[in-house]
Amino acid sequence: ELKVEQNPLFLSMQEGKNYTIYCNYSTTSDRLYWYRQDPGKSLESLFVLLSNGAVKQEGRLMASLDTKARLSTLHITAAVHDLSATYFCAVDRKSGGSNYKLTFGKGTLLTVNP
Amino acid sequence: SAVISQKPSRDICQRGTSLTIQCQVDSQVTMMFWYRQQPGQSLTLIATANQGSEATYESGFVIDKFPISRPNLTFSTLTVSNMSPEDSSIYLCSVSRTVPYEQYFGPGTRLTVT
Repeated sequence: ELKVEQNPLFLSMQEGKNYTIYCNYSTTSDRLYWYRQDPGKSLESLFVLLSNGAVKQEGRLMASLDTKARLSTLHITAAVHDLSATYFCAVDRKSGGSNYKLTFGKGTLLTVNP
Repeated sequence: SAVISQKPSRDICQRGTSLTIQCQVDSQVTMMFWYRQQPGQSLTLIATANQGSEATYESGFVIDKFPISRPNLTFSTLTVSNMSPEDSSIYLCSVSRTVPYEQYFGPGTRLTVT
């Protein structure tokens, strides 16, 4: 059974600081996703990482994937209050036939304080 | 991307009743999924809605409790049957395309069972 572990689960940081969220998964995966969820809202897709060594950046967020270590990181640079949200990683795996399914981590609740 | 709408956006239901949630996508998609997100928790896949055939359910979810329909490539319904307070959750519809492997989420249906 595929397991996805995120840490930390709670992260309180000051504006302007840098930090990294880690996502480990237990078995070989086809793709890794990062999502953002604001309170009371649905999930917003941030990144899809398709291959070993993939790195994607958008604004103050950068995601990377190491398939050999089964590890993805979401790095936050010079945090601002608007980044406060819950961040989920999810791993996509073939489940039979042509079906794929996502398994989610528990999420990291990020609070950026002024 | 894909524009996904869900109806209703929220509902308060009595124990023992059933609620049908609709998911409509603005274009044809290969895969449609239903997830549950309990308060403060991560997302759990309920089932994959297959067009023209029975849904594929995940461990812990059964068709009698969560019947799903998918009559075409842009529409699906999830029914939560014989509800109990433990069914109080956000139910999210999700769609994906093979390329570019994005998976998008609808706005969710917030269900409260009293």
